[in-house]
Amino acid sequence: DGGITQSPKYLFRKEGQNVTLSCEQNLNHDAMYWYRQDPGQGLRLIYYSQIVNDFQKGDIAEGYSVSREKKESFPLTVTSAQKNPTAFYLCASSIGPGECQPQHFGDGTRLSIL
Amino acid sequence: AQSVAQPEDQVNVAEGNPLTVKCTYSVSGNPYLFWYVQYPNRGLQFLLKYITGDNLVKGSYGFEAEFNKSQTSFHLKKPSALVSDSALYFCAVRERLTGRRALTFGSGTRLQVQP
Repeated sequence: DGGITQSPKYLFRKEGQNVTLSCEQNLNHDAMYWYRQDPGQGLRLIYYSQIVNDFQKGDIAEGYSVSREKKESFPLTVTSAQKNPTAFYLCASSIGPGECQPQHFGDGTRLSIL
Repeated sequence: AQSVAQPEDQVNVAEGNPLTVKCTYSVSGNPYLFWYVQYPNRGLQFLLKYITGDNLVKGSYGFEAEFNKSQTSFHLKKPSALVSDSALYFCAVRERLTGRRALTFGSGTRLQVQP
């Protein structure tokens, strides 16, 4: 089945540590997105990529980094500069950057601080 | 800038009764509007979207939404609620042709359907 796979499902970070969240899609979608979900705040956009080797900052990019070397992969690194990383992280993709295309979501990674 | 407001943190309805989850939006131009549903510890699932044309949009699982341009609203509705509809619902907007190429989501509304 086609879809978006996020791994790991749960992740723990130590102080001063960088961690990387994986997002892989086999939908042949051009556009991919990373969101952070906190209780009562909905989803906030971290980074998005419309095409391979290109990405743009979202609303809360500070303390995060991404890469888009392959169409199917869009990993997110939570750096030590992100002082409050505890959240549920969601990856999404869409066919293209066309405005009317719905986004398809993975099942998320829950990141906690040790 | 584009934004979405979901004024109710939670909506409670009895099974079999109609339900409405409210959403209002703000964009500079014309909007594309979406509704998504989220079950615990899962990603979001697409329910329906408004692009253009008929103001009443039908989607998955018997849900529908009504676009009202004058009130800048896109309320989600269902004629008869099921217990299994209990979940977190998100409205999202994207401005046509201009603006950033990503959705802006509301803060979510938790729907609780009582048996």
